[in-house]
Amino acid sequence: DAGVTQSPTHLIKTRGQHVTLRCSPISGHKSVSWYQQVLGQGPQFIFQYYEKEERGRGNFPDRFSARQFPNYSSELNVNALLLGDSALYLCASSPGGPSNYGYTFGSGTRLTVV
Amino acid sequence: AQSVTQPDIHITVSEGASLELRCNYSYGATPYLFWYVQSPGQGLQLLLKYFSGDTLVQGIKGFEAEFKRSQSSFNLRKPSVHWSDAAEYFCAVGDRAYGNKLVFGAGTILRVKS
Repeated sequence: DAGVTQSPTHLIKTRGQHVTLRCSPISGHKSVSWYQQVLGQGPQFIFQYYEKEERGRGNFPDRFSARQFPNYSSELNVNALLLGDSALYLCASSPGGPSNYGYTFGSGTRLTVV
Repeated sequence: AQSVTQPDIHITVSEGASLELRCNYSYGATPYLFWYVQSPGQGLQLLLKYFSGDTLVQGIKGFEAEFKRSQSSFNLRKPSVHWSDAAEYFCAVGDRAYGNKLVFGAGTILRVKS
């Protein structure tokens, strides 16, 4: 079975640009969460989606947005990129509802903003 | 606010020696606690979790952790470390006020010397 798939694996963007990161959950998983991991720190929660609805949002500016599609895949969008947005962006999926902690993490997208 | 503290940024142990990684949490109710491991360039893999019941939890790869409510701790242990255990380890608490959001510590990098 395929795990959580994230694309692209790496990308480089210029300050002020926009970026879209993609995540395909494990088949049958309906919940997707996004985390930002800055170098030297633990992951920080950005968003959680369940059944295509936003169920949680972390302390991130409005430049960050996300959505979940009918097939439960998800996109994370970041506008007006800043140098500080450089990080590993992790997607995690879980099978159940908002209280299910059966996370499986993807390998992440490494974003570098120059 | 919920928080997790991992006091040791780096730990070096000899192969075959025992290991203990420290984790302290701050959470108002009975916590859901987790340990994850991350190898370079990889996502997070769940080692073990505690929700309730027996305070000594067994995980994968020979790891165990003990929940001590009086000390607000959830330390990770392994009796004999292998070179392949070298990685970064993250302790996390589940914030049930936000569905299944995880709050991570800053991580401990484990180095194994032969």
